Amino acid sequence: IAGITQAPTSQILAAGRRMTLRCTQDMRHNAMYWYRQDLGLGLRLIHYSNTAGTTGKGEVPDGYSVSRANTDDFPLTLASAVPSQTSVYFCASSALETDTQYFGPGTRLTVL
Amino acid sequence: GQNIDQPTEMTATEGAIVQINCTYQTSGFNGLFWYQQHAGEAPTFLSYNVLDGLEEKGRFSSFLSRSKGYSYLLLKELQMKDSASYLCAAADSNYQLIWGAGTKLIIKP
Repeated sequence: IAGITQAPTSQILAAGRRMTLRCTQDMRHNAMYWYRQDLGLGLRLIHYSNTAGTTGKGEVPDGYSVSRANTDDFPLTLASAVPSQTSVYFCASSALETDTQYFGPGTRLTVL
Repeated sequence: GQNIDQPTEMTATEGAIVQINCTYQTSGFNGLFWYQQHAGEAPTFLSYNVLDGLEEKGRFSSFLSRSKGYSYLLLKELQMKDSASYLCAAADSNYQLIWGAGTKLIIKP
């Protein structure tokens, strides 16, 4: 692994189902982030983690949860998916929260 | 409130120069980032400015004026591969990034 990986690449999900998007980085970065990107809008921060064991809410956290059990992994869970959560989801990481963020390849999620 | 403004779309000719502007309003300011994003791909880091002035990096340069809340990205000797969206993002007092919607740059031969 080099950098940040995300899985799955894409997913079609029925409304009401639970879904976990995975994110793993091998750069030993302390800070990790989840964004969603929708057409015509800037990237919006969902949740972040400045270091393992801590998480925080971003601009649009409702309907999403995260955990940070170790440095490398930062999964994003949709407890009960709704169509408005259809989006492209990007995971990012930075050495510290003050540093440049580097992005994973993204997950395209469609909720029907 | 916090806000980033940049043009939605720009068109330029291969070999020419283009300037993409960005204005920002944030609660506190800890620097201005530019990212490039090709269609269907992840954003990739281009530049970071925290002090006033011009930073040059090959064909790309980025400028910042903190007093005016203004930045621009200058792309010289445009190539077809520069066709992409360019994202402006400002770091607020908590170092969280506030993102513009992106400028889609179309390069014509």
